[in-house]
Amino acid sequence: AQKVTQAQTEISVVEKEDVTLDCVYETRDTTYYLFWYKQPPSGELVFLIRRNSFDEQNEISGRYSWNFQKSTSSFNFTITASQVVDSAVYFCALSDPNAGNNRKLIWGLGTSLAVNP
Amino acid sequence: ETGVTQTPRHLVMGMTNKKSLKCEQHLGHNAMYWYKQSAKKPLELMFVYNFKEQTENNSVPSRFSPECPNSSHLFLHLHTLQPEDSALYLCASSQDPAGELGETQYFGPGTRLLVL
Repeated sequence: AQKVTQAQTEISVVEKEDVTLDCVYETRDTTYYLFWYKQPPSGELVFLIRRNSFDEQNEISGRYSWNFQKSTSSFNFTITASQVVDSAVYFCALSDPNAGNNRKLIWGLGTSLAVNP
Repeated sequence: ETGVTQTPRHLVMGMTNKKSLKCEQHLGHNAMYWYKQSAKKPLELMFVYNFKEQTENNSVPSRFSPECPNSSHLFLHLHTLQPEDSALYLCASSQDPAGELGETQYFGPGTRLLVL
């Protein structure tokens, strides 16, 4: 069965620290997509990145970077030099051809990140 | 306005009330979604519309009734809700029809609903 595990429920760091949010997924298929979303206190889920299963290159976007490791079924997210504005809940999700007719996104439970000044 | 908007942002209703949530997407997308987000639970997909046609009803109780008059607007009509229906209700849209592997969904800010 498809599953997304975000083992870290809450993380608290001090501003300017680097922080890595873990995401481990389970799927039987070789073709799938992985996503990260950010949910600030305002409630809106903000799309951060989509990665397909055939592209294992790491991605960097400003202070954000993602490490995709198929060998360990992980898609971890690192924030470098964290800022207070990074405080949010971060969700990892899997889009899998076996997830039903509508290819429903399989969501993790989220990691709540608090960046303290 | 840009992106996906939702109104109202907050709603308190009694169990006998009837209310509606509204969602509008300004992205020219073809699919729209309703999700329920409760504490300590994964995001739950409720309804999916492709090109205004409902393609998914994820075993949602009939006290929730969706309506999609066109590809830009989505409503969720609520009646005789229960306290356990209190949650954040999120609307999303995607360019590709729902069912396309890997379609990216864009979300609105949600309506925080409290049922008393």
